[in-house]
Amino acid sequence: ETGVTQTPRHLVMGMTNKKSLKCEQHLGHNAMYWYKQSAKKPLELMFVYSLEERVENNSVPSRFSPECPNSSHLFLHLHTLQPEDSALYLCASSQDLAGGLRETQYFGPGTRLLVL
Amino acid sequence: AQKITQTQPGMFVQEKEAVTLDCTYDTSDQSYGLFWYKQPSSGEMIFLIYQGSYDEQNATEGRYSLNFQKARKSANLVISASQLGDSAMYFCAMREVSGSARQLTFGSGTQLTVLP
Repeated sequence: ETGVTQTPRHLVMGMTNKKSLKCEQHLGHNAMYWYKQSAKKPLELMFVYSLEERVENNSVPSRFSPECPNSSHLFLHLHTLQPEDSALYLCASSQDLAGGLRETQYFGPGTRLLVL
Repeated sequence: AQKITQTQPGMFVQEKEAVTLDCTYDTSDQSYGLFWYKQPSSGEMIFLIYQGSYDEQNATEGRYSLNFQKARKSANLVISASQLGDSAMYFCAMREVSGSARQLTFGSGTQLTVLP
């Protein structure tokens, strides 16, 4: 496996379900990110982790709970979601947070989530 | 005010022709970085090209080039010799030195369709 992988690729869940999204990066990077991409809206940054420590949480509802057990893995735990949470959830990684303006983020293929 | 504006929701181009995708940005910083990403229907965001605000030359990467006009605050992506595989959403993004070092601000994207 190379790059950034995400599982599952598609997920349908009810509002009372609990599910988790998984992201794994094989690039040796130290920073990982969760983004939400809704239809006809720009990407929204949700969470940022650096060396397994959360460094940013952009006012995300508590029904989204991230977890970063090591620098290669990132999870997004979902519970009691709303239909408006249906979106493409993208994971990304970069070498470091302090890499400067040029620091490039590399994305996974995303998980398409539908909340019924 | 939007930081990144992409005014073309959709563009069509004939195969083998060149196409320009527009991007304007808004920042009061002197140092910033501009990125272009491609998102095929599969969902993955693919990094294409980077331009730093102090770079003296326009960035080029293969068939991709960036027409950077600093005074106009525009960073248009030029794709030469379009191929059918270029059909995708294209996003312009910016990182400012004054903002969070982690934050990329994305535009709303342009859907490019290459016609055979």
